[in-house]
Amino acid sequence: QITLKESGPTLVKPTQTLTLTCTFSGFSLSTSGVGVGWIRQPPGKALEWLALIYWDDDKRYSPSLKSRLTITKDTSKNQVVLTMTNMDPVDTATYYCAHRQLDTAMGSWGQGTLVTVSS
Amino acid sequence: QSVLTQPPSVSGAPGQRVTISCTGSSSNIGAGYDVHWYQQLPGTAPKLLISGNSNRPSGVPDRFSGSKSGTSASLAITGLQAEDEADYYCQSYDNSLSGAVFGGGTKLTVL
Repeated sequence: QITLKESGPTLVKPTQTLTLTCTFSGFSLSTSGVGVGWIRQPPGKALEWLALIYWDDDKRYSPSLKSRLTITKDTSKNQVVLTMTNMDPVDTATYYCAHRQLDTAMGSWGQGTLVTVSS
Repeated sequence: QSVLTQPPSVSGAPGQRVTISCTGSSSNIGAGYDVHWYQQLPGTAPKLLISGNSNRPSGVPDRFSGSKSGTSASLAITGLQAEDEADYYCQSYDNSLSGAVFGGGTKLTVL
């Protein structure tokens, strides 16, 4: 059974850097074809893909946010970390991490963590 | 504005059939990339409903089916049930953006 869980601050101030950790179990991020992605969803709005890291450490970012995002993995700890710099109130959203399957679908999702950006 | 276009809302009575469209372009669906569908019940995380255009993960009822043609894909739900009331999202890959893309989501209301 694959499980993922997001952790990090629930409140950040404008201009601060957000660091979120995804801790997962049930799969290995060293398995060929596997990845972990981050997706966010502002309140009442649609899903937005942010970033993805593959088993071979290849990284992909949303072009609109690329300059602010960094995704890393710690295979030994079964964790993926997303950092987003220069946070703004428009970045207020629920942030999800998800397991990218071999068929490229996001097969399992974490419960999400609501991050509010406010002074 | 999402790269993949979905109708904002659809509705149907219990027992009826509804379809949700997902329209892309030559850099995503039209380029041959697979389309996946997710169901998001109120207050919960998205759940994979259809992968690889038409494959149902274990546990997903066969009332849900997916198809793809050209630059579009569709999700069909037959025998509508009250529990199907949710938001539905399509997702694919876009080679001009070098990343995954989601549709804007469709809210299904069961009348």
